[in-house]
Amino acid sequence: EAQVTQNPRYLITVTGKKLTVTCSQNMNHEYMSWYRQDPGLGLRQIYYSMNVEVTDKGDVPEGYKVSRKEKRNFPLILESPSPNQTSLYFCASSSPTGAAYEQYFGPGTRLTVT
Amino acid sequence: DAKTTQPPSMDCAEGRAANLPCNHSTISGNEYVYWYRQIHSQGPQYIIHGLKNNETNEMASLIITEDRKSSTLILPHATLRDTAVYYCIVRPFNDYKLSFGAGTTVTVRA
Repeated sequence: EAQVTQNPRYLITVTGKKLTVTCSQNMNHEYMSWYRQDPGLGLRQIYYSMNVEVTDKGDVPEGYKVSRKEKRNFPLILESPSPNQTSLYFCASSSPTGAAYEQYFGPGTRLTVT
Repeated sequence: DAKTTQPPSMDCAEGRAANLPCNHSTISGNEYVYWYRQIHSQGPQYIIHGLKNNETNEMASLIITEDRKSSTLILPHATLRDTAVYYCIVRPFNDYKLSFGAGTTVTVRA
């Protein structure tokens, strides 16, 4: 089954404790992206990657890092989480060979930073 | 800058057609209209897209006006599982980035 998986699905952590949210897709997609969703602000792009070793900032990259060492994986790293990074995070992937550059989204990771 | 305008919410009776409007008066010639939906904090799901012709798939129909300044997503027989936030997005076909607005919260009632 074609899918995007994220782990963990729920995470409660404390300020300053480094964490990584993993994202993996099994569709051989070139493009991957991270979004965060906050009430009243909608979905906003954090980082994206056009292919292995190619990453770029989205609209709200501050406080986040990403890496793309393998095509299937695109982890989101919070080196020093702060309470304003409490949010719902989504990973997505896409390919120009797919219909309409359709993006497939993961199930989401709900992060709480206290 | 908001490229699309959608009503914030709408109700629909189960089994009836749901017609979701979207205004995109500044759409460019190379921009397509895409619709996604998000069911209660799940990941957004692609529904349909179109350039200028009407489109239909197993989920919905998309009607785009001749001047392309507005469109309507039609869910032909709404079910309770169609309750979701529906996003209308315009973007060039070969541009991966999705810019989500506030969308329309659709509530299907029994």
